[in-house]
Amino acid sequence: QQQVKQSPQSLIVQKGGISIINCAYENTAFDYFPWYQQFPGKGPALLIAIRPDVSEKKEGRFTISFNKSAKQFSLHIMDSQPGDSATYFCAASGARGDQGGKLIFGQGTELSVKP
Amino acid sequence: EPEVTQTPSHQVTQMGQEVILRCVPISNHLYFYWYRQILGQKVEFLVSFYNNEISEKSEIFDDQFSVERPDGSNFTLKIRSTKLEDSAMYFCASRGGGGYTFGSGTRLTVV
Repeated sequence: QQQVKQSPQSLIVQKGGISIINCAYENTAFDYFPWYQQFPGKGPALLIAIRPDVSEKKEGRFTISFNKSAKQFSLHIMDSQPGDSATYFCAASGARGDQGGKLIFGQGTELSVKP
Repeated sequence: EPEVTQTPSHQVTQMGQEVILRCVPISNHLYFYWYRQILGQKVEFLVSFYNNEISEKSEIFDDQFSVERPDGSNFTLKIRSTKLEDSAMYFCASRGGGGYTFGSGTRLTVV
């Protein structure tokens, strides 16, 4: 019940295209859903995050879509660029009012944007 | 922008040896974490630390592991007797009002 399932494992997109990565969770106590971007040799960097009281959040070219009833959320990268090539992790946490607030990560998606 | 600083960036140790991984979290954050990432796999939670004590730990965080906040700035992870399977990237993170910030990690190689 603590798992977060992420797909696809790898994704190749042409420059200018839309990258879509999907995640599903089981634990309804999760109330914080971030996406992280990780470049080789670096730590995960927060890209965008959403709470379940909204269905969509957009920041620049990055959009999270959230479906509470289906317990799914996805990351859309519009106008994908070669510089977006990285590994993307979704995560979930019961952070609100929780002193622990650990993140449960998905398995990661390796995105490659071809010029 | 405030950063979480981890040292060393790479540590090679012999099996059975003790290692200490060091982290300087963001100064006004109150929650501290260690995560582990085995090469090519997902990031896994190890332990969370709040108010000078462990608030939660995973199954991975057995008796060989310990954490400490020896002063007001450092946060350390100690592995008492390293095993080959402890080879991984270890990430420290701290959490404040703006969410988590991860360090760049320590690559631990056990030989």
